[in-house]
Amino acid sequence: GAVVSQHPSRVICKSGTSVKIECRSLDFQATTMFWYRQFPKQSLMLMATSNEGSKATYEQGVEKDKFLINHASLTLSTLTVTSAHPEDSSFYICSARGLGNNSSGANVLTFGAGSRLTVL
Amino acid sequence: AQSVTQLDSQVPVFEEAPVELRCNYSSSVSVYLFWYVQYPNQGLQLLLKYLSGSTLVKGINGFEAEFNKSQTSFHLRKPSVHISDTAEYFCAVSYQAGTALIFGKGTTLSVSS
Repeated sequence: GAVVSQHPSRVICKSGTSVKIECRSLDFQATTMFWYRQFPKQSLMLMATSNEGSKATYEQGVEKDKFLINHASLTLSTLTVTSAHPEDSSFYICSARGLGNNSSGANVLTFGAGSRLTVL
Repeated sequence: AQSVTQLDSQVPVFEEAPVELRCNYSSSVSVYLFWYVQYPNQGLQLLLKYLSGSTLVKGINGFEAEFNKSQTSFHLRKPSVHISDTAEYFCAVSYQAGTALIFGKGTTLSVSS
């Protein structure tokens, strides 16, 4: 089945530094990537949607200059948290939608395992 | 606004007991419904999905869910739970093909012996 590899699984950084999280679709082409954020004991909140080769569309309240999303190829999307602060500490999860010849394929997203960011 | 409501934040049950996790969504002409499970410090695993067709959907690990359009519900059930079913369960909905999922707040299922 479809697999999405997300790296790193855990990262600890100092306040003010930038962190890059990668999300790769291993056996399919991801036309669309969705980036979510999950605070402890809470649900997943959509941050942004990115289509390959286009600028990402950010949800209301998400700072696009702080959370840089790149989707340069059909198998790789990256989220860079710039000038990270302790309040950015969270669990970030990507999900990918691949090319599908039928509606059911297009509606099923594959999730990465998540990246836990801790900003000291 | 489109939304998903999981009515129970925590559900404690004993091993081998049946369980139902409730999920309601805001009404729409078309809807695609999903249940995901999340184990501690892990990503999401798809349990089952409703895209069209039969309203009773069977998933992995013995779970099933029923799409009820009149009640705008998609409750998750399992006739006999195991300790290993202890996890966070998320109901999610998509109102348009290929769009991002909207998640409920999650239900913590705790199975004890």
